[in-house]
Amino acid sequence: ELKVEQNPLFLSMQEGKNYTIYCNYSTTSDRLYWYRQDPGKSLESLFVLLSNGAVKQEGRLMASLDTKARLSTLHITAAVHDLSATYFCAVDIYSGGGADGLTFGKGTHLIIQP
Amino acid sequence: DAGVTQSPTHLIKTRGQQVTLRCSPKSGHDTVSWYQQALGQGPQFIFQYYEEEERQRGNFPDRFSGHQFPNYSSELNVNALLLGDSALYLCASIGYNEQFFGPGTRLTVL
Repeated sequence: ELKVEQNPLFLSMQEGKNYTIYCNYSTTSDRLYWYRQDPGKSLESLFVLLSNGAVKQEGRLMASLDTKARLSTLHITAAVHDLSATYFCAVDIYSGGGADGLTFGKGTHLIIQP
Repeated sequence: DAGVTQSPTHLIKTRGQQVTLRCSPKSGHDTVSWYQQALGQGPQFIFQYYEEEERQRGNFPDRFSGHQFPNYSSELNVNALLLGDSALYLCASIGYNEQFFGPGTRLTVL
């Protein structure tokens, strides 16, 4: 059974600071996704990471993937209040190609204070 | 180009009733997955539909069933509702290396 663990689960930080969210998964997988969720809303797609060493950046967010360590990171640079949200990583349940059901971590609830 | 749509937005049912939720994927996407998200938790995979058939299924009882139509839209049916079925139900529209989520249906079971 695929397990996905995120840490921390809760993070309170100040604007302007840098921080990293970690996502560990237990078995080989083809794809790793990062999503953002605002309270009461659906999931917004941030990144899809497809291969070992993949790095993607959008604004103040940067995601990376190490398939050998089964680890992905989401790095926040110079945080701003608008980035306050819950962030989820998710991994394909089934490996071997195709678009599969995802196993999600429990999410990291991020609060950025002025 | 419409994104992923779901209906209804909110729904209130009582225990033992049955409910049907609907999803239309993005234009060009032919695969749909359904997820259940309880309050404060990550989404849980229910099942996936492709070519009008259930292709994959998560750890959910048979009370949860679905259907996909020729136009790729999909329905999620839940029978004999339990209080624990109260959740946000999300539909994912699946393309090549991408999975986009709809706005969700908030189901409350009383």
